[in-house]
Amino acid sequence: GAGVSQSPRYKVAKRGQDVALRCDPISGHVSLFWYQQALGQGPEFLTYFQNEAQLDKSGLPSDRFFAERPEGSVSTLKIQRTQQEDSAVYLCASSRNIIGLSYNEQFFGPGTRLTVL
Amino acid sequence: SQQGEEDPQALSIQEGENATMNCSYKTSINNLQWYRQNSGRGLVHLILIRSNEREKHSGRLRVTLDTSKKSSSLLITASRAADTASYFCATTKAAGNKLTFGGGTRVLVKP
Repeated sequence: GAGVSQSPRYKVAKRGQDVALRCDPISGHVSLFWYQQALGQGPEFLTYFQNEAQLDKSGLPSDRFFAERPEGSVSTLKIQRTQQEDSAVYLCASSRNIIGLSYNEQFFGPGTRLTVL
Repeated sequence: SQQGEEDPQALSIQEGENATMNCSYKTSINNLQWYRQNSGRGLVHLILIRSNEREKHSGRLRVTLDTSKKSSSLLITASRAADTASYFCATTKAAGNKLTFGGGTRVLVKP
């Protein structure tokens, strides 16, 4: 079946612009995660949804970052007034949430590469 | 912030050789996983080892975990050019929880 998809794959923004990044998770996956990966670094957690509820947003670097998942499926990560330090690859992952399993594997999308000029 | 460090940061080997990389982490974990990331592609899950396990095998991959030292190693045997990628370890504190990644090891396998 289809995997996690993200759009756009590449985004160039001028400093100060707002951007919106979309994630389409695997159908039926309850959990959705956003990660930020700077060049040459490992991904860092941003936020987590279970269905439409945002249960953890501890990784969002500032109040310019906002994420939503209003119907418990597609999610959007919005960055307001972009800064150069926001340049990174933004990865989305989804997983089932099967109670009793020691781990529910996260499946990653290809990412959106954001460049802020 | 990232959970820990990976060592080495970069590794260059000939096809057919083994590649070993290490990962250290800081806090207690539920499990540890290794991921591969090719240029331009997403993260692919390779193998998971639970905190009560010490060693696990999957094909040409061998993972060890030492919770007393808070460290893990990934061994890729008989490497192929297609193994060229960045490899990341990642930990979770609980099932269904967020992943905390290391900084990665960039592996180049020369044909």
